[in-house]
Amino acid sequence: GNSVTQMEGPVTLSEEAFLTINCTYTATGYPSLFWYVQYPGEGLQLLLKATKADDKGSNKGFEATYRKETTSFHLEKGSVQVSDSAVYFCALSSASKIIFGSGTRLSIRP
Amino acid sequence: NAGVMQNPRHLVRRRGQEARLRCSPVKGHSHVYWYRQLPEEGLKFMVYLQKENIIDESGMPKERFSAEFPKEGPSILRIQQVVRGDSAAYFCASSPKDSFANTGELFFGEGSRLTVL
Repeated sequence: GNSVTQMEGPVTLSEEAFLTINCTYTATGYPSLFWYVQYPGEGLQLLLKATKADDKGSNKGFEATYRKETTSFHLEKGSVQVSDSAVYFCALSSASKIIFGSGTRLSIRP
Repeated sequence: NAGVMQNPRHLVRRRGQEARLRCSPVKGHSHVYWYRQLPEEGLKFMVYLQKENIIDESGMPKERFSAEFPKEGPSILRIQQVVRGDSAAYFCASSPKDSFANTGELFFGEGSRLTVL
């Protein structure tokens, strides 16, 4: 079945460091891919998405490119801030639902 | 702010009791999803409902769990005879009719945290 695998956390970085969170997927067909973010005590919210191969999703300085050849959708940000501390979920659309990865907890030190 | 509203935010039950979790979707949204998040784990799909219909319940445990989304009122996730392993955060999400195929975006509530003693 369709599934998502993302790097385990926690990831701890200093402010202004470069961020990469790896995500790979297994799917039949051509799913849409997403990154969702969960801030402490809150529900998930959509961060960015890509609907077809080679699309780049971007939002709030975060980017991810849909790579069909490597079945990947890695999340990157050039300079992280303390306010980016959260749990990040990679996800894909599968039929009528979204399947999530296990989440990566990101902590940013001032 | 008419986002997804879940209640209660926190619920404590003893083993064998029943838990009822409620979800009011974004106004105008007719699709509701329930997910479960176990401690330190990702979100696991449980069930997808439209008004008065269960569309996909492939993630629901076969026993003790049920869900409904009536014509009027909130969606309800019901857990009978709770056990300690049911302790988790239960998230509800909604989407407008027909939007999922285009955007894939779900709007999440803040979750209901169930603790079973």
